[in-house]
Amino acid sequence: AQRVTQPEKLLSVFKGAPVELKCNYSYSGSPELFWYVQYSRQRLQLLLRHISRESIKGFTADLNKGETSFHLKKPFAQEEDSAMYYCALTSGGSNYKLTFGKGTLLTVNP
Amino acid sequence: EPEVTQTPSHQVTQMGQEVILRCVPISNHLYFYWYRQILGQKVEFLVSFYNNEISEKSEIFDDQFSVERPDGSNFTLKIRSTKLEDSAMYFCASSEQRINEQFFGPGTRLTVL
Repeated sequence: AQRVTQPEKLLSVFKGAPVELKCNYSYSGSPELFWYVQYSRQRLQLLLRHISRESIKGFTADLNKGETSFHLKKPFAQEEDSAMYYCALTSGGSNYKLTFGKGTLLTVNP
Repeated sequence: EPEVTQTPSHQVTQMGQEVILRCVPISNHLYFYWYRQILGQKVEFLVSFYNNEISEKSEIFDDQFSVERPDGSNFTLKIRSTKLEDSAMYFCASSEQRINEQFFGPGTRLTVL
């Protein structure tokens, strides 16, 4: 069975500080990993996916298969980064369903 | 920019009643999904739909649930006889191809009394 664990329910940092949101996964095959973000009163939207290897809004995430992790990082947090962040995986296969973690609420204080 | 839309935004119903949640996926998308999120819990997959049939469903998606694409635009989730534990936020999502990004709707909050 596939599972995503986000150990921190809440994370609070000051503006300009580095931020790391942790994500660990459990899956026996080769999953695809994603970070979704939900800003206040907005819908879930894709932030980044590991196969793209992009940096979006200053965020990066590296898939570490040895540690089964996909932590989200940003060197200098901004107030507008405050949001709920969800790590998700898909096993691929016939339909590409997403398995989500419980989410981490990031608050960036001024 | 095209978006997935969902109606209603909030539905209140009595236990045992039938509800239909409606979604309009992005027009050129071929893959459709329903997820739900019970308050304080994670977003959970319910069902995926492609080529006018269910391609996968979760254990949650029992005989009380059904999905339909009645015309070229709508994608509906029906719960035949609602239970208290069906109270949740229900999200519709769609993607152009199987491996593409899933775009989510704003959700329908279902409250079962």
